[in-house]
Amino acid sequence: EAQVTQNPRYLITVTGKKLTVTCSQNMNHEYMSWYRQDPGLGLRQIYYSMNVEVTDKGDVPEGYKVSRKEKRNFPLILESPSPNQTSLYFCASSRADRGLRITEAFFGQGTRLTVV
Amino acid sequence: AQSVTQLDSHVSVSEGTPVLLRCNYSSSYSPSLFWYVQHPNKGLQLLLKYTSAATLVKGINGFEAEFKKSETSFHLTKPSAHMSDAAEYFCVVSEAAGNKLTFGGGTRVLVKP
Repeated sequence: EAQVTQNPRYLITVTGKKLTVTCSQNMNHEYMSWYRQDPGLGLRQIYYSMNVEVTDKGDVPEGYKVSRKEKRNFPLILESPSPNQTSLYFCASSRADRGLRITEAFFGQGTRLTVV
Repeated sequence: AQSVTQLDSHVSVSEGTPVLLRCNYSSSYSPSLFWYVQHPNKGLQLLLKYTSAATLVKGINGFEAEFKKSETSFHLTKPSAHMSDAAEYFCVVSEAAGNKLTFGGGTRVLVKP
């Protein structure tokens, strides 16, 4: 079954304490990305990766890091979380055509992060 | 650059009546368009997608959408709403070399008995 697995589903942490949200896909997709969801704003892209060792900033990258050492995994790292990073986070695994237009996207179940 | 506008932030319908969720997009190139649904405390589920084949796209649970290039619209419809359709719906666009999905702000659907 096609799947994107995120962990943890819920996380409460304190300001400044480093954390990592993991994301794994089983579809052999080259393209993966992270989004955050905030009320009234829909989902906004944080970072994306076109392939192993290839990552780039999305629309709201400040305060986040990513890495892509293996094709299936794309962790999101918050080195020093702040309260404005309290949000619902989604990892996506996608297929793109030759023109780099996404033609299929699967999302994880989401990680609800609270930074106090 | 790509962008998406969902024209209604909230839609309220009675069970058994039609549902219309409006979406306009802006894209420099031939886009892919999607509708996703998010039930409370759940992830995102794909309802349907358009990727340059037939302009009338049928999806799951009786939903369909029509791609109208001249109007830059991709409205979602369902002939008869069910209580289980109460959720938030997102219109999403991806254009060539865009490297991302761009989401609309979402439309929350309330279904009254």
